[in-house]
Amino acid sequence: GAVVSQHPSWVICKSGTSVKIECRSLDFQATTMFWYRQFPKQSLMLMATSNEGSKATYEQGVEKDKFLINHASLTLSTLTVTSAHPEDSSFYICSARMDRDTEAFFGQGTRLTVV
Amino acid sequence: GQNIDQPTEMTATEGAIVQINCTYQTSGFNGLFWYQQHAGEAPTFLSYNVLDGLEEKGRFSSFLSRSKGYSYLLLKELQMKDSASYLCAFMDSNYQLIWGAGTKLIIKP
Repeated sequence: GAVVSQHPSWVICKSGTSVKIECRSLDFQATTMFWYRQFPKQSLMLMATSNEGSKATYEQGVEKDKFLINHASLTLSTLTVTSAHPEDSSFYICSARMDRDTEAFFGQGTRLTVV
Repeated sequence: GQNIDQPTEMTATEGAIVQINCTYQTSGFNGLFWYQQHAGEAPTFLSYNVLDGLEEKGRFSSFLSRSKGYSYLLLKELQMKDSASYLCAFMDSNYQLIWGAGTKLIIKP
């Protein structure tokens, strides 16, 4: 299958700082990328959907000013967690798909711990 | 409205067969996906069904009945490494994925 690379795999940051997570599709052009958050023993929670060149669509309850998403090219999307708080500690996963009716491939995930 | 449902947890024996069911309700449908997720890792794609019937891929098969809003994932010759959560998700009319909560499969020797 297609490869989606997410970086970093894990990060520890201090409260109040910002963290940027990158998601790259390595061998295909991703028209759409998705960002999820997953708490322990829970299912995926969609945070936002981003289409290349346009603003991300955020799910209800997700603060767009806190979780900044940029999808500047067909192979790269970034999620920046601004002014991080301990409650933002979670597993963040991106996925990317080529066309709207094809499967989405997931990055490895980023485990964020805010101390 | 839309909803999707799958069992929370299942237990099976190594070498056996297990079927994980998934039911859904939606007005618009563009296919159903199954993903496998090991603890602490991201999901990996297993199968995609958009037409009725059974799709076989090695030890794993996936079935879809659109009229019944029903799918299942069949795992044969279970191995210990198959212990994971299995997520079903359907794609709605807007091509958005609607996820089930996942079924945790426990394999016992």
